[in-house]
Amino acid sequence: EIVLTQSPATLSLSLGEGATLSCRTSQSVSSYLAWYQQKPGQAPRLLIYDASNRATGIPARFSGSGSGTDFTLTISSLEPEDFAVYYCQQRSNWPLTFGGGTKVEIK
Amino acid sequence: QVQLVESGGGVVQPGGSLRLSCAASGFTFSNSAMNWVRQAPGKGLEWVAFIRYDGDKTYYADSVKGRFTISRDNPKNTLYLQLNGLRPEDTAVYYCAKDKFNWFDPWGQGTLVTVSS
Repeated sequence: EIVLTQSPATLSLSLGEGATLSCRTSQSVSSYLAWYQQKPGQAPRLLIYDASNRATGIPARFSGSGSGTDFTLTISSLEPEDFAVYYCQQRSNWPLTFGGGTKVEIK
Repeated sequence: QVQLVESGGGVVQPGGSLRLSCAASGFTFSNSAMNWVRQAPGKGLEWVAFIRYDGDKTYYADSVKGRFTISRDNPKNTLYLQLNGLRPEDTAVYYCAKDKFNWFDPWGQGTLVTVSS
């Protein structure tokens, strides 16, 4: 099973600041990595797939990068609706696995 | 637009069974693979099961293999998850999610399963 490790666990930032979230995989997943956003009481939403492709309707302030074992989700300038938990997920191998999540909170 | 509506959750005793349903609309269900993903209270996401568009291929997480069964009824546009031999650690919100090359997009609103005596 491929293990995904997200860091940091919590990110405390102010409105308008940039955010950088990390996801590291226990073995190479090529570019088969996605990012999801989950707000309290809501289902997750796909943000980024194949490491760097934005899903339909996702604002341009969200971007993904990386390949192999190291990946980054960047939010260029935090809006109020961006404070949430973010998960990464790999589809390189079965079972499909998620990282433990990074909570982006208001400082 | 795509809509996924789960139902069937509830409180069940350890060792008990439950069947979850996911009613799909807004897309051609019979052409789409589907998944179940769960989230224990206050915890992260865990993929549970996958089923191919025609039901002929399924995959399971090791934690549920042999106890849970994913199935589908394409004429009824409905996905199912049969949960047998339930354990307290199966307590979670269960989401169905449309498969997009093994990404999950979109998700239903979830249904809560509580395993407790």
